[in-house]
Amino acid sequence: AQRVTQPEKLLSVFKGAPVELKCNYSYSGSPELFWYVQYSRQRLQLLLRHISRESIKGFTADLNKGETSFHLKKPFAQEEDSAMYYCALSGGSNYKLTFGKGTLLTVNP
Amino acid sequence: EPEVTQTPSHQVTQMGQEVILRCVPISNHLYFYWYRQILGQKVEFLVSFYNNEISEKSEIFDDQFSVERPDGSNFTLKIRSTKLEDSAMYFCASSVRRQTYNEQFFGPGTRLTVL
Repeated sequence: AQRVTQPEKLLSVFKGAPVELKCNYSYSGSPELFWYVQYSRQRLQLLLRHISRESIKGFTADLNKGETSFHLKKPFAQEEDSAMYYCALSGGSNYKLTFGKGTLLTVNP
Repeated sequence: EPEVTQTPSHQVTQMGQEVILRCVPISNHLYFYWYRQILGQKVEFLVSFYNNEISEKSEIFDDQFSVERPDGSNFTLKIRSTKLEDSAMYFCASSVRRQTYNEQFFGPGTRLTVL
């Protein structure tokens, strides 16, 4: 069974502070991990995926298979980063996404 | 940039009524999905669709649900006899798989309210 856990429902930081959104997963095979973001009144959109190992909008995420984690990090948060962040896992032949419950990030001025 | 579109944005219906939620996936995409999100809960997979048939469905997707691609552009989700617990945001997504990754593009959602 696939499971994604995001332990923090809410996360509030000040502008310029580092931010880390936690994600842990459970999957017996080799998963693909994603971070999706939903800004206010906008659709879910892909932020980054582990396989591309890229930095998007200053965010990075490293897949740690030993700890089964895929935490999202940014060294200096900006107000425009305020949004709902969902960690998601895809595995198996049909590539359905299993989402975590999401973390609402608020970056205060 | 092409986007997934969904209509209507909000649907209100009486319990027991049939509803059809419509989606227009991105034109060159081949894989289609429906997800739902009950208020305050996580986004849940309902069904995936490829080559004009269901490729996977969740436990939520029971006999009351069906999907169809009636023409070359639309992808619909039908709920035959709605229940109060069907009230949720329904998201359509589409993708074209390349190599080992599968980015799914989401529509803006349809908010279904069952009274």
